Amino acid sequence: AQSVSQHNHHVILSEAASLELGCNYSYGGTVNLFWYVQYPGQHLQLLLKYFSGDPLVKGIKGFEAEFIKSKFSFNLRKPSVQWSDTAEYFCAVISSGSARQLTFGSGTQLTVLP
Amino acid sequence: DTAVSQTPKYLVTQMGNDKSIKCEQNLGHDTMYWYKQDSKKFLKIMFSYNNKELIINETVPNRFSPKSPDKAHLNLHINSLELGDSAVYFCASSAGTNQPQHFGDGTRLSIL
Repeated sequence: AQSVSQHNHHVILSEAASLELGCNYSYGGTVNLFWYVQYPGQHLQLLLKYFSGDPLVKGIKGFEAEFIKSKFSFNLRKPSVQWSDTAEYFCAVISSGSARQLTFGSGTQLTVLP
Repeated sequence: DTAVSQTPKYLVTQMGNDKSIKCEQNLGHDTMYWYKQDSKKFLKIMFSYNNKELIINETVPNRFSPKSPDKAHLNLHINSLELGDSAVYFCASSAGTNQPQHFGDGTRLSIL
């Protein structure tokens, strides 16, 4: 069964700091990868996705992520965070062998201090 | 216009009661889902329907029964509610089973 690991449970940064959130998955076949964001009290919103092609994908609000197949990783980055980026971030994977089930990581709470 | 809407937003009830949560999507998507998010924010899929047919049924108690009257609706009925059912339940939809999912605002269920 596929699994997704987010090793950072809580990250605290000051505004303008750079961000990198780790995501690793366990499935060895074809995968579709996603990052979702959940602002306090709100629903999940898609930040970006990777299906194929350029492994560096750009999403909304200045976020990007890099798919490194050899490391089974899909880390999320942002060069300069803002207070409004405070939220929970979820990495998620759909693999070809999982009945197309979206599996989420445990989430990373990002707190940006003004 | 809300793409995926769930009602109610909050649900407070007593143990042993039966309750339903409704979900509707106006995106024309074929696939709909129910997720449970626990107090630690962990998201776990419960059910997935494609064109009104059940395609994923994770290990959830049979007190939980999804019903899809048409492909735009996926309701969740819960019998004999227990304390451990307290969570936020999210409905979602997608154009296909490997496509990005659009989520509703969630229903916060609290069991007294």
